[in-house]
Amino acid sequence: RKEVEQDPGPFNVPEGATVAFNCTYSNSASQSFFWYRQDCRKEPKLLMSVYSSGNEDGRFTAQLNRASQYISLLIRDSKLSDSATYLCVVNGGGATNKLIFGTGTLLAVQP
Amino acid sequence: GAVVSQHPSRVICKSGTSVKIECRSLDFQATTMFWYRQFPKQSLMLMATSNEGSKATYEQGVEKDKFLINHASLTLSTLTVTSAHPEDSSFYICSARGTVWGYGYTFGSGTRLTVV
Repeated sequence: RKEVEQDPGPFNVPEGATVAFNCTYSNSASQSFFWYRQDCRKEPKLLMSVYSSGNEDGRFTAQLNRASQYISLLIRDSKLSDSATYLCVVNGGGATNKLIFGTGTLLAVQP
Repeated sequence: GAVVSQHPSRVICKSGTSVKIECRSLDFQATTMFWYRQFPKQSLMLMATSNEGSKATYEQGVEKDKFLINHASLTLSTLTVTSAHPEDSSFYICSARGTVWGYGYTFGSGTRLTVV
């Protein structure tokens, strides 16, 4: 089983749509959780951290369910510029604090 | 904010040669540097973790004699791909973590290596 699993997509949605991405992680000792965005041939950029209480940043809402080891990202009112790959990322814990990346979910917002 | 400068951004080399990739933290001290590799349509795979002044810790399956990592100072880490082969062609990205928690993980802009 992969440490971080995501549906690779692609998700093809029209502008203005609401889209949700899900992610599961295998290590119950994981401490920190993030969503990153990666554009084609570019480095990943932090979109938002994910907290147990849930958190929102404009059109983006992230949720964490520690009991189910499940993370979600909701994007409302999709824009063309949201087209990218969304990476679910988990801090593996331990002394190294290394980040474990999911394979990413490709989002294509259509005009 | 925290910035990591990674060079070169793109390199083409002949099979059998070595390539050095540099990552510099410009405005913070990078106590830990992570090196990732990403093949097309795949996720970032951690290759190794290095702490300043210590030997790097390599992930399973990554050849430490082929991928030489040096982290001699708090602002510079290098990855040298030795005796490169076409299968080493990939996108290599560094990520630095500093002494201040607020900086989190800062990524370099990546190096696209093509071995011909």
